[in-house]
Amino acid sequence: DAGVTQSPTHLIKTRGQHVTLRCSPISGHKSVSWYQQVLGQGPQFIFQYYEKEERGRGNFPDRFSARQFPNYSSELNVNALLLGDSALYLCASSLGSRGGAQETQYFGPGTRLLVL
Amino acid sequence: GQQLNQSPQSMFIQEGEDVSMNCTSSSIFNTWLWYKQDPGEGPVLLIALYKAGELTSNGRLTAQFGITRKDSFLNISASIPSDVGIYFCAGQRGQAGTALIFGKGTTLSVSS
Repeated sequence: DAGVTQSPTHLIKTRGQHVTLRCSPISGHKSVSWYQQVLGQGPQFIFQYYEKEERGRGNFPDRFSARQFPNYSSELNVNALLLGDSALYLCASSLGSRGGAQETQYFGPGTRLLVL
Repeated sequence: GQQLNQSPQSMFIQEGEDVSMNCTSSSIFNTWLWYKQDPGEGPVLLIALYKAGELTSNGRLTAQFGITRKDSFLNISASIPSDVGIYFCAGQRGQAGTALIFGKGTTLSVSS
């Protein structure tokens, strides 16, 4: 079975541009979460979606937005890019939100974003 | 953003040695997870712990969920070169808060 897939794998943008990152969860998983990982740090939570509804939001500015589609895939959008947005963006999927093993998150390979 | 206290920050060991790393928090978690991340890759789940006091093994890896629910440790026995990588602990409050809170990671280097 395919794991979590993300596209693109790498992306180079300039300041002020916007970017859209895509994620497909593991088959049967209904929840998708997005994380930002800067070099030398652990991943930081951005958003979680379950059944197409936002279930949680981390401490990120409104320039960051996301949505989940009926097939449970998801997009992360970042507007007005800043140099500090350069990071590895990770998507994770889980079965649902009933606690315990249902919420265990499995990560994709990430999208490496470089903002110049 | 919030991060867990993970130690040590890095370890340099000889092949065959045992390794221990731990993670502490000021908050209670309902789930503790341990991930391994190789350069340029996403974190790979090693062990998930769902109950306070739980001790779980996965091959040469053993992890425990602390009784206070504020800490966890990971042991690797008889290390091999492919154990090299960055190990992250993550806590999850569950249901009301399913976001993962990560530690800063432990970088493991193994010399043969």
